[in-house]
Amino acid sequence: GEDVEQSLFLSVREGDSSVINCTYTDSSSTYLYWYKQEPGAGLQLLTYIFSNMDMKQDQRLTVLLNKKDKHLSLRIADTQTGDSAIYFCAERSGGGADGLTFGKGTHLIIQP
Amino acid sequence: EADIYQTPRYLVIGTGKKITLECSQTMGHDKMYWYQQDPGMELHLIHYSYGVNSTEKGDLSSESTVSRIRTEHFPLTLESARPSHTSQYLCASSDHTDNQPQHFGDGTRLSIL
Repeated sequence: GEDVEQSLFLSVREGDSSVINCTYTDSSSTYLYWYKQEPGAGLQLLTYIFSNMDMKQDQRLTVLLNKKDKHLSLRIADTQTGDSAIYFCAERSGGGADGLTFGKGTHLIIQP
Repeated sequence: EADIYQTPRYLVIGTGKKITLECSQTMGHDKMYWYQQDPGMELHLIHYSYGVNSTEKGDLSSESTVSRIRTEHFPLTLESARPSHTSQYLCASSDHTDNQPQHFGDGTRLSIL
């Protein structure tokens, strides 16, 4: 079945870059997404990338996709305290139920 | 900015009660979804809908039911709540065009005593 794996925690210093990694197993994935969840809140869509792209940049966010290795990363430049949250990687496969398959989420911890 | 609303935000209720979690969106999206998220865990799809009068079960089996009588409204019902139903329930919607991103509400945190 489909599986999405992420590290559970990442700790970075304020001002440094954060790189959150994700691997997935479904080779038929069409779109891959990054969502941010702050405490007590729903999921906020950060960015997404189509499987025929290898990079997408949006302000401080850079998404890199290695389709051969089924590896996705999210880089946050100049990490701020407001970036502290759980970041979910999700993939949308080409068939089956129409929902997304999520990883367990990476807790991003910002050190002053 | 996505306009999708869930009520209530928090609900603590006793075993055996009938519960309806509300979800409404004002974007005219055809597709709507319900996910269940246990603390510290990933989201699992429990129901989805392609439009009015369409409801489908998701990847995770759930004792809840859903209805889609109006495009903007996708309520989830538990006929007789049990402690095992304690979780966070997140509603999402997306445009009918293939692979449009899903926009999420703030969730309902449900606790069954």
